[in-house]
Amino acid sequence: GENVEQHPSTLSVQEGDSAVIKCTYSDSASNYFPWYKQELGKRPQLIIDIRSNVGEKKDQRIAVTLNKTAKHFSLHITETQPEDSAVYFCAASKENFGNEKLTFGTGTRLTIIP
Amino acid sequence: GAVVSQHPSWVICKSGTSVKIECRSLDFQATTMFWYRQFPKQSLMLMATSNEGSKATYEQGVEKDKFLINHASLTLSTLTVTSAHPEDSSFYICSASGSEGWADTQYFGPGTRLTVL
Repeated sequence: GENVEQHPSTLSVQEGDSAVIKCTYSDSASNYFPWYKQELGKRPQLIIDIRSNVGEKKDQRIAVTLNKTAKHFSLHITETQPEDSAVYFCAASKENFGNEKLTFGTGTRLTIIP
Repeated sequence: GAVVSQHPSWVICKSGTSVKIECRSLDFQATTMFWYRQFPKQSLMLMATSNEGSKATYEQGVEKDKFLINHASLTLSTLTVTSAHPEDSSFYICSASGSEGWADTQYFGPGTRLTVL
């Protein structure tokens, strides 16, 4: 089955600096790669996703890049703010649809230092 | 749109009892629902996938007789933890996906924190 690795497990950055989280996946058939932000005791919140037909997607301060050849994708957060502090999970699934199961990475605890 | 609710939000029960958790899609028809378990400081682990009107498909290592999943309607799925034990204490999260405009991703419920004494 699919295996998703995520690095780093913890990340501390100064407010205003950029943060980068990286994930690799094992199944070359995976086509959909969402990123979630989870605050303590709350549901995962989809912040951005990318599908296999594009290499990069940006939404204001957040961007995701995908390299299908190398089977890795990354989350980039620029101009970080204290409210960006949370746990971030990457995930992968085989289809471009929500009815296919997701395999999650192990998570990255991001701390923004004021 | 795309609101998924869970009930209860938290529950405490005694060892050996059964607990039922409900997952509802409030504004769309959920053709597929997923149940995840999340232990403290860990990732979400998929327990099972259920399609409306069909038996759930359980992930390897998840006991189907212990974690009963019912997806009898397009807006409701239930997870029953039978004969709960302290090691079942966890954060249980459901997600739902529909058809057409609701098929692009999974929509997550707020989670249910189960504590077994």
